[in-house]
Amino acid sequence: EAGVVQSPRYKIIEKKQPVAFWCNPISGHNTLYWYLQNLGQGPELLIRYENEEAVDDSQLPKDRFSAERLKGVDSTLKIQPAELGDSAVYLCASSLGLTPGGTGELFFGEGSRLTVL
Amino acid sequence: SQQGEEDPQALSIQEGENATMNCSYKTSINNLQWYRQNSGRGLVHLILIRSNEREKHSGRLRVTLDTSKKSSSLLITASRAADTASYFCATDAYGNNRLAFGKGNQVVVIP
Repeated sequence: EAGVVQSPRYKIIEKKQPVAFWCNPISGHNTLYWYLQNLGQGPELLIRYENEEAVDDSQLPKDRFSAERLKGVDSTLKIQPAELGDSAVYLCASSLGLTPGGTGELFFGEGSRLTVL
Repeated sequence: SQQGEEDPQALSIQEGENATMNCSYKTSINNLQWYRQNSGRGLVHLILIRSNEREKHSGRLRVTLDTSKKSSSLLITASRAADTASYFCATDAYGNNRLAFGKGNQVVVIP
């Protein structure tokens, strides 16, 4: 079974340019997450989707970041315009969703490493 | 912040030794999860322990949870060079449905 697929793996852009990241979750996983990971830190949630609905986007900087999951499967995260401080790894994860014991296991992609010059 | 705080943040051990790392958190949780991340890779789920559980095993991994102290520990027995990675605890806060990650423990196993 294929895991979570992200692209591109690496992206270098100049500040003020736009950038987009794509994620294809594991088949059948209704819940999709975008996390941001700075160097030496743990992942921080940007947005969580249940099917095509963004159910938790309170930590997404909406002035420059946007995300979509139009058909409830793959998702795109966009930054426009990018700033120097956006340099980080953007991780996508998927899961089967909530279980009786709370949030279940997350399956992560390899991440997209963004460098803004 | 609900996110866990791991301790120690860096650990260097010899192959064959045990590695223990701790995680503390602040509010009530549904469960606590541990993940591993190899350099430049995504996170891999290791183990999930529910709030009503006190100890869980998976292979060479042993996780404990003390909800009264709001803390968890991850023990890796008989460590191998391949265990070199960063280890993160993540808490699923009660009523939140948001998995919050700590800063991570960097573990280096010396062959």
